[in-house]
Amino acid sequence: DTAVSQTPKYLVTQMGNDKSIKCEQNLGHDTMYWYKQDSKKFLKIMFSYNNKELIINETVPNRFSPKSPDKAHLNLHINSLELGDSAVYFCASSQGGISGNTIYFGEGSWLTVV
Amino acid sequence: GNSVTQMEGPVTLSEEAFLTINCTYTATGYPSLFWYVQYPGEGLQLLLKATKADDKGSNKGFEATYRKETTSFHLEKGSVQVSDSAVYFCALSDRGSNYKLTFGKGTLLTVNP
Repeated sequence: DTAVSQTPKYLVTQMGNDKSIKCEQNLGHDTMYWYKQDSKKFLKIMFSYNNKELIINETVPNRFSPKSPDKAHLNLHINSLELGDSAVYFCASSQGGISGNTIYFGEGSWLTVV
Repeated sequence: GNSVTQMEGPVTLSEEAFLTINCTYTATGYPSLFWYVQYPGEGLQLLLKATKADDKGSNKGFEATYRKETTSFHLEKGSVQVSDSAVYFCALSDRGSNYKLTFGKGTLLTVNP
């Protein structure tokens, strides 16, 4: 019973392609996130949605577009992939608006752009 | 803005050694503090957390105490095992940042038998 699941786990694609990463959580949380982990393991938030509404958008290129069809899903679409987009992308969820609430992470999607 | 500074790695220890990973923070509000662990090839797991000053979070033999006066949340374990080898991240969240997690840069721990 995976709490936060994301697919695919591994993705190798060519520059210029468009790709999507899907995320689903079965925890009943109302807030979902996308984080990016670079080659030096540094983690930075990209987006956050609360009840399908965008609440955090952290200086991410327009080529990245999140979509939340319902509060259990948050997908990430990336247009015109560049070499620098190679990273691990983590989806996460929490019950938002409450101090100290744990954010639960998926297992990550390893994206390699060649 | 918020920021987290944790000791640079990598840290290499022998089994049963004592572990300390230092973490200090800067926050505009009153944050909650977390330690996450990432085992090789896996995602992030919450290790422990503390939500107010002087709280001690603990799990799997790891401990960290929320020290408001020194803005610190150092991670400790009395006797590490090979299976503790992983990357450890200190993080904070607060209301002013919509409860997003701000992470430190991570500390790679390797425990040798």
